[in-house]
Amino acid sequence: KAGVTQTPRYLIKTRGQQVTLSCSPISGHRSVSWYQQTPGQGLQFLFEYFSETQRNKGNFPGRFSGRQFSNSRSEMNVSTLELGDSALYLCASSLSQHQETQYFGPGTRLLVL
Amino acid sequence: DAKTTQPPSMDCAEGRAANLPCNHSTISGNEYVYWYRQIHSQGPQYIIHGLKNNETNEMASLIITEDRKSSTLILPHATLRDTAVYYCIACTGTASKLTFGTGTRLQVTL
Repeated sequence: KAGVTQTPRYLIKTRGQQVTLSCSPISGHRSVSWYQQTPGQGLQFLFEYFSETQRNKGNFPGRFSGRQFSNSRSEMNVSTLELGDSALYLCASSLSQHQETQYFGPGTRLLVL
Repeated sequence: DAKTTQPPSMDCAEGRAANLPCNHSTISGNEYVYWYRQIHSQGPQYIIHGLKNNETNEMASLIITEDRKSSTLILPHATLRDTAVYYCIACTGTASKLTFGTGTRLQVTL
C-alpha cells in the first residue's frame, strides 16, 4: 500500500506570495493532519480534517488554511508569506477520527526569501 | 495531553540494546503512550504504542511501569539506521492531534 505523498517536496517563494501544498493520504484513510516543523519551535500541529471538515486547529494565524476533498486528499494554503513561514510542512493520515496512529509523509520543505 | 519528559540525547553502540526512557507522571487513565521517531529531514515514523501492558512489534518493545508514570522504548539491536530523534507522546485515543516535545536524539555508533 502506498504511503502518504506530499507535493511538491521543495518550494522557494518570496515574502508576500501565497503557497498551496498538497497531501494524498494512505488509501482508505479519512483523517489528514498538518504539522509545521521549524528548528526553533519543533513540530507543531496546524489542523486536522476528517470527512471534508476541519475538526481541530492549532494556534496559527488565519493566513494558514486548509481543506479536504471528498477523496480525502488535502491541501493547505499559506497566504502573505513571511520569512518565519520557512519550515518543513508535514502531512499525516490516519484511518479515522478516532485512530491515533498517524502515518506521516516526507514533507514539503518551504523556503521563503 | 499529558506532558512527557525525555533526555535530550543518548548514545548507543551498534548491536547493543538502546533503552530510551520517558517520564509521563501526569498521564491520565485513558491516555496511551506513543513513540515516533524522525530520521533526519524525513517525516516522523510510528514505532509502537501502549496503554498499560508491555508491547512488542517488529521494530521495538515498549515497557510501561505499573503506575504508568514512565515508560521505556527498547530497540533490541540498534543499527546505524536507528540514529534519529525519538518522541514519546501521551494522548487519548480520540484526540486528533499529536503534541511533540523535543524528543531524544539517539546516536548509534560503530
